[in-house]
Amino acid sequence: DIVVTQSPDSLAVSLGERATINCKSSQSVLFDSNNKNYLAWYQQKPGQPPKLLIYWASTRQSGVPDRFSGSGSGTEFTLTISSLQAEDVAVYYCQQYYNAPITFGQGTRLEI
Amino acid sequence: QVQLQESGPGLVKPSHTLSLTCTVSGGSISSDRYYWSWYRQLPGKGLEWIGYIYYRGSTNFNPSLRSRVSISEDTSRNQFSLNLRSVTTADTAVYYCARDHEGATDFWGQGTLVTVSS
Repeated sequence: DIVVTQSPDSLAVSLGERATINCKSSQSVLFDSNNKNYLAWYQQKPGQPPKLLIYWASTRQSGVPDRFSGSGSGTEFTLTISSLQAEDVAVYYCQQYYNAPITFGQGTRLEI
Repeated sequence: QVQLQESGPGLVKPSHTLSLTCTVSGGSISSDRYYWSWYRQLPGKGLEWIGYIYYRGSTNFNPSLRSRVSISEDTSRNQFSLNLRSVTTADTAVYYCARDHEGATDFWGQGTLVTVSS
């Protein structure tokens, strides 16, 4: 199984400041055939299902504010929220989709 | 807009079978473009992929659950279903059905809490 590890486990950021969450996979999730990283980011608020923010490591899902961005390739990835808003308080997960079993990081709790 | 809705018992006895159904609207589960998955989230914990079903009923499961899991589909009703056999209290979780596409899970059901208890 590909092990996905996030850091930090929790993070407190002031409103309007930048938040950065890291994700590392135990093996590369870059498919050579299409040059795509099979890595996605999700936001989950209490009592709600996860919401897809970023796929292919850096492609923003339709409707997601542009303050959310993803970067990285291979085994190391980053989710950045450029200017934190109150509604961004949530738990964030990264997910590898390179091969089965699909696996998630342990989550990062983002607070203000 | 695709919508998914889980349904099934919220309480299952130990050693029994957990059975859930996901009803999909706004898209066909017969499409060869998508995978239809089950995930779960243990109380206060992270997310675990259980397995998926895709084009013409092919399936793939998490090895950690493979011996106890099956997923089936009813294309006439646009539904797919999860069976998890021989449950224990460790299977108590919120269960989600979802659609997987283009390397990510883009639509999720609201989730249903299943408690395993006698």
